[in-house]
Amino acid sequence: GQNIDQPTEMTATEGAIVQINCTYQTSGFNGLFWYQQHAGEAPTFLSYNVLDGLEEKGRFSSFLSRSKGYSYLLLKELQMKDSASYLCAVRDSNYQLIWGAGTKLIIKP
Amino acid sequence: IAGITQAPTSQILAAGRRMTLRCTQDMRHNAMYWYRQDLGLGLRLIHYSNTAGTTGKGEVPDGYSVSRANTDDFPLTLASAVPSQTSVYFCASSDSPDRVDGYTFGSGTRLTVV
Repeated sequence: GQNIDQPTEMTATEGAIVQINCTYQTSGFNGLFWYQQHAGEAPTFLSYNVLDGLEEKGRFSSFLSRSKGYSYLLLKELQMKDSASYLCAVRDSNYQLIWGAGTKLIIKP
Repeated sequence: IAGITQAPTSQILAAGRRMTLRCTQDMRHNAMYWYRQDLGLGLRLIHYSNTAGTTGKGEVPDGYSVSRANTDDFPLTLASAVPSQTSVYFCASSDSPDRVDGYTFGSGTRLTVV
């Protein structure tokens, strides 16, 4: 079966750095996505990785290792507004997105 | 409107009733999707449409039906609602299934079946 694992919840301090991990087992791989979802709102696109390595976009970076079935989202200089759920999704061989349950990130002052 | 509009925003529905959730996009995206999101679970695909006139079943299609008569609209119908269909429903769209910027999501419909 297809499976994506993320930690359920993480806590970090304002101004710090946090790394959210995602491991996956899917039938085929055509890219990995990270989305941010604030409570009661729709998911919004953060990043996309299809090749191994690090993609940096401002305070957010995303890393992919296809051989290990592993990705992480790195958030730097945390702000209170970063409190949200972060969803990992893999596009499989049928070009459908398989979603993890999401990681709820709590930022404390 | 810009993006995806879903209606209603929320609804309480008696079990056994028929309900259609509406989804309209103005981006001329070819592909559209319906997901449900439940606490502790990832988004689960109900039905999808890669282009107007075609639809396909996702991971959890039972009890739901869709139609795609044109590019803009993708309604989701619950023929006879059951309490297990209580969920938040998101409609999403993409210019094509292999886009690198993923999907655009509507704001969701919170459905409670009692």
